[in-house]
Amino acid sequence: DAGVIQSPRHEVTEMGQEVTLRCKPISGHNSLFWYRQTMMRGLELLIYFNNNVPIDDSGMPEDRFSAKMPNASFSTLKIQPSEPRDSAVYFCASSSMGYTQYFGPGTRLTVL
Amino acid sequence: QQQVKQSPQSLIVQKGGISIINCAYENTAFDYFPWYQQFPGKGPALLIAIRPDVSEKKEGRFTISFNKSAKQFSLHIMDSQPGDSATYFCAAAGGSNYQLIWGAGTKLIIKP
Repeated sequence: DAGVIQSPRHEVTEMGQEVTLRCKPISGHNSLFWYRQTMMRGLELLIYFNNNVPIDDSGMPEDRFSAKMPNASFSTLKIQPSEPRDSAVYFCASSSMGYTQYFGPGTRLTVL
Repeated sequence: QQQVKQSPQSLIVQKGGISIINCAYENTAFDYFPWYQQFPGKGPALLIAIRPDVSEKKEGRFTISFNKSAKQFSLHIMDSQPGDSATYFCAAAGGSNYQLIWGAGTKLIIKP
């Protein structure tokens, strides 16, 4: 049974470049969450979708960040332009009509 | 009101000892309190969770103690093992919004 799938697992890019992170939630799950994790700030919720609709994007740091969920099986988080302070591990998690969230393995982003 | 305060930030326990991590919340509407376990390079995974209608829940060596009047809950790991070394997050949620409010995390090291 496949869990949450994220790609790429590692991304190294230069400041100013566009970065796109991808997530495939668990089949049948109707909620999707994007998180950012750093040593300094811990685990931060960026945006939360329910039935493909963004419900709460108050955690998105600024206009450089955008997220989409075009269908129930795919979501993207885009950073344009990227900055060194965006370096972090980005997690996607999904859930099904409940509180238990299932996390993907994360994407480690390094912006030089 | 939405915060969940977790302590300590880090904890070192000898093998076989009891590990205790504490969390406190303010929002009385919270009615679900999970603990997640995160190993290096992995996403967090649900370990154990409790609802406020009980004061304690035990699963193997892991126990949640819940004090509704004090608005506090804690994770106890009995007979701690080196394999328990991980970062532990408490969280809280309530209502129809399935977002989790996360604690800052505790890095637990079990010394052999």
